[in-house]
Amino acid sequence: DAKTTQPPSMDCAEGRAANLPCNHSTISGNEYVYWYRQIHSQGPQYIIHGLKNNETNEMASLIITEDRKSSTLILPHATLRDTAVYYCIVRVFSNSGYALNFGKGTSLLVTP
Amino acid sequence: DAGITQSPRYKITETGRQVTLMCHQTWSHSYMFWYRQDLGHGLRLIYYSAAADITDKGEVPDGYVVSRSKTENFPLTLESATRSQTSVYFCASTQTSGRYTDTQYFGPGTRLTVL
Repeated sequence: DAKTTQPPSMDCAEGRAANLPCNHSTISGNEYVYWYRQIHSQGPQYIIHGLKNNETNEMASLIITEDRKSSTLILPHATLRDTAVYYCIVRVFSNSGYALNFGKGTSLLVTP
Repeated sequence: DAGITQSPRYKITETGRQVTLMCHQTWSHSYMFWYRQDLGHGLRLIYYSAAADITDKGEVPDGYVVSRSKTENFPLTLESATRSQTSVYFCASTQTSGRYTDTQYFGPGTRLTVL
């Protein structure tokens, strides 16, 4: 699986958009970008994933650059409950249940 | 819809004792996983299971035993607990069909302290 690089921490004001970057310069053509988050003391939670097109769901948007070497997770209107550690994971899409390789992620603090 | 549950949520034990952590999911997901998370670190895979009676080692399996006699249950046993096994343990499961294949759903975790 390709290695990812994320900033260790970020701040965001409540109500503003939170833009979390992820670099994955060694990504291969069949690898997807996944985002999970972990709110303090809870199990990780799936947010979104994508291959090359931008994706949006009820939680967030995922923007992947054309060369696929980086991506940005966007929380459009951050709330205090979005304070969490966000993990960017790059891996092959599989129906055989590969384990997730969690790095250290980005600790997002949403402030009032 | 109960989802995925873990028990106990908190456990304190002593060095050398056997401890079993339970994981139960109601979705009939084929794949299940056990991770541990140490303070300030990411999650590391201990064991995983592709189906009932099929298990395999992950990154840090030493000191742990798993079994999977039923699809919905995946217990993790520490045969002789050590202080280094003090950690938060997360169980997860994965569906294996549809667009969200490969999305892992995590339980709430078990916080284990070994004295």
